Amino acid sequence: EVVMTQSPATLSVSPGERATLSCRASQSISSNLAWYQHKPGQAPRLLIYGASTRATGIPDRFSGSGSGTEFTLTISSLQSEDFAVYFCQQYNNWPPMYAFGQGTKLDIK
Amino acid sequence: QVQLVESGGGVVQPGGSLRLSCAASGFNFRSYSIHWVRQAPGKGLEWVATISYDGTDRYYTDSVKGRFTISRDNSENTLHLQMNSLRPEDTGVFYCARDAGGVSWLFNYNGMDIWGHGTPVTVSS
Repeated sequence: EVVMTQSPATLSVSPGERATLSCRASQSISSNLAWYQHKPGQAPRLLIYGASTRATGIPDRFSGSGSGTEFTLTISSLQSEDFAVYFCQQYNNWPPMYAFGQGTKLDIK
Repeated sequence: QVQLVESGGGVVQPGGSLRLSCAASGFNFRSYSIHWVRQAPGKGLEWVATISYDGTDRYYTDSVKGRFTISRDNSENTLHLQMNSLRPEDTGVFYCARDAGGVSWLFNYNGMDIWGHGTPVTVSS
């Protein structure tokens, strides 16, 4: 079973600054990683899949990188609407299995 | 408008049952596999189950195998999750989510691109 660990648990950043969120897999998952944004009371939103491909309609200030066991989500210039919880997710092709990290809460500094 | 809307959540005693539903609209439901994902209070997201676009294949996380059954009715654009022998640790918000891969979902994972707003389940005596 692959375990996903996100860091930090909480990140405080000022609007307009860059935010860097990390996700580590307990074993290599190639590029089988997605990132989601989740705001209270709302549906989660897909940001990135394949470790670095932005989903449809996602602004280019969001970028993903990494492969193997270390992954990063970078938000280049934080907007007010970006403050939320971010989850990484790994997927196993066969049998289909999906594991999420515990989340990073992005707070306004 | 492409959307998923969950329903059926509520309060149930340990050992009880609930049937969740997820109504799809705005897209060709029969071409997409669908997942159930839950979030326990104060915790992260947890994948629960997946059903293939045609309903022939079903997959579950270990903790719900033998207790939960995922099903779908492509004629009604509806997904279900039958939950039996419920435990307090099953408490949480349950979301349905569309797999973006379409009929190639097993070969080409493009994330879970459409989510509902969730339905809450509380298992407590």
